[in-house]
Amino acid sequence: EAQVTQNPRYLITVTGKKLTVTCSQNMNHEYMSWYRQDPGLGLRQIYYSMNVEVTDKGDVPEGYKVSRKEKRNFPLILESPSPNQTSLYFCASSFNLAGGPPGELFFGEGSRLTVL
Amino acid sequence: GNSVTQMEGPVTLSEEAFLTINCTYTATGYPSLFWYVQYPGEGLQLLLKATKADDKGSNKGFEATYRKETTSFHLEKGSVQVSDSAVYFCALSDLKSGGSNYKLTFGKGTLLTVNP
Repeated sequence: EAQVTQNPRYLITVTGKKLTVTCSQNMNHEYMSWYRQDPGLGLRQIYYSMNVEVTDKGDVPEGYKVSRKEKRNFPLILESPSPNQTSLYFCASSFNLAGGPPGELFFGEGSRLTVL
Repeated sequence: GNSVTQMEGPVTLSEEAFLTINCTYTATGYPSLFWYVQYPGEGLQLLLKATKADDKGSNKGFEATYRKETTSFHLEKGSVQVSDSAVYFCALSDLKSGGSNYKLTFGKGTLLTVNP
């Protein structure tokens, strides 16, 4: 089954304790991205990756890091989480969209993070 | 920059009522337009899309027409069901020249509740 898998789905942590949210897709997609969803703000892009070893900032990258060492995985790293990073996070993937009409973004089920 | 504005929710309807969720956008160039749906506890799923002016996207009884002259992409359904209760997001693509910076820009979402 084609899917984007995120872990953990739920996490409560404390300020300053490094954490990683994993994202894996089994569709051989080149493009992957992280969004955060906050009430009244919709979804905002954090980082994206056009392919292995190619990553770039989205609209709200502060406080986050990513890596893309393998095509299927795109972890989101919070080196020193703060309460303003409490949010619902979504990973998404797609085939390479460069040069043509964009296709469908496939989303994971979300990871709800609470930073105390 | 690009932006998407959709009607504020929540929207509450009775089963078999007509649905319209308004969406307007601001963009340079010729974006593609999307409606995504998020059912409770799940990630976003593509509902429909349109890639050029006057295109009509349709799926599961929902329709939306890409209107360049009014920069709109309103979502409609003639007869809603309880199972349509979800959050609906309008979005546009942002694919810059050369494909070096792709993302979806989302509206804030509209919560639809359909009562039996």
